[in-house]
Amino acid sequence: DAGVIQSPRHEVTEMGQEVTLRCKPISGHNSLFWYRQTMMRGLELLIYFNNNVPIDDSGMPEDRFSAKMPNASFSTLKIQPSEPRDSAVYFCASSPRWAGDNNEQFFGPGTRLTVL
Amino acid sequence: AQSVTQLGSHVSVSEGALVLLRCNYSSSVPPYLFWYVQYPNQGLQLLLKYTSAATLVKGINGFEAEFKKSETSFHLTKPSAHMSDAAEYFCAVSDRSEKLVFGKGTKLTVNP
Repeated sequence: DAGVIQSPRHEVTEMGQEVTLRCKPISGHNSLFWYRQTMMRGLELLIYFNNNVPIDDSGMPEDRFSAKMPNASFSTLKIQPSEPRDSAVYFCASSPRWAGDNNEQFFGPGTRLTVL
Repeated sequence: AQSVTQLGSHVSVSEGALVLLRCNYSSSVPPYLFWYVQYPNQGLQLLLKYTSAATLVKGINGFEAEFKKSETSFHLTKPSAHMSDAAEYFCAVSDRSEKLVFGKGTKLTVNP
C-alpha cells in the first residue's frame, strides 16, 4: 500500500501566482481531508469530502481557496491568487469509513508551501 | 462543539524516564479520542485511539492512554522514553462524525 500521496512536496512561488496542490488518497478510502499546519494556528481542517462530494468547507479561509475531487483517486487544493500568509504545510488525509467506529485518518507527507 | 487542550507545548525528558503528555477535551457527546505522532518533515501517524471500549488504550511503540470521563482527560504515557520518541504529539477528538479536532501539539524532546 503506497499510502496517501501528495505532490509537490515543496512549492515556492511568488505572491499573486496560482498554486495547485494534489492528493491521491489510499485506494478504497471514501473520505478525504485537507488540512493546513502553521506554527501560529496549529493543524486546521480546511475541507473534507465523502464519496467525492464536499461535506464541510467551513474551514476554507476565503474565496481564494478552492478544492475539488473529480474522482475517488484524486483531489486538488488551489490557491489563486496566493499570498505570503498562505505559507504553511498542507496535508491531505484519507479515511476508510463514513461515521463509523474506525474513523482513523491516514495522512500524506504534506506539501510545504512558501509564498514570497 | 469539540475542543482539545494540550498542556505544555514543549516537554523534555531524559532517556529512560517516564513520558507524560497531557490532553483535556471538551465534547457535547461521548467522544472518540486519538493520539497522533508527527516526526520531522512527515505526516501524522496514529498512535492509539479510544472508541468507548476499554478505558486504558494501548498503542504502538509502548505508548498508552487512559480515558477519564470525570476529568475529561486522555493523557498519553510511556514508562521509559527512547531517543526515537522525540517528535510532536497531537491529541484529537471526534464527535463520532468524520471530523477530527486537533490540539496544538506537544513537542517531546528526549535527552541522552
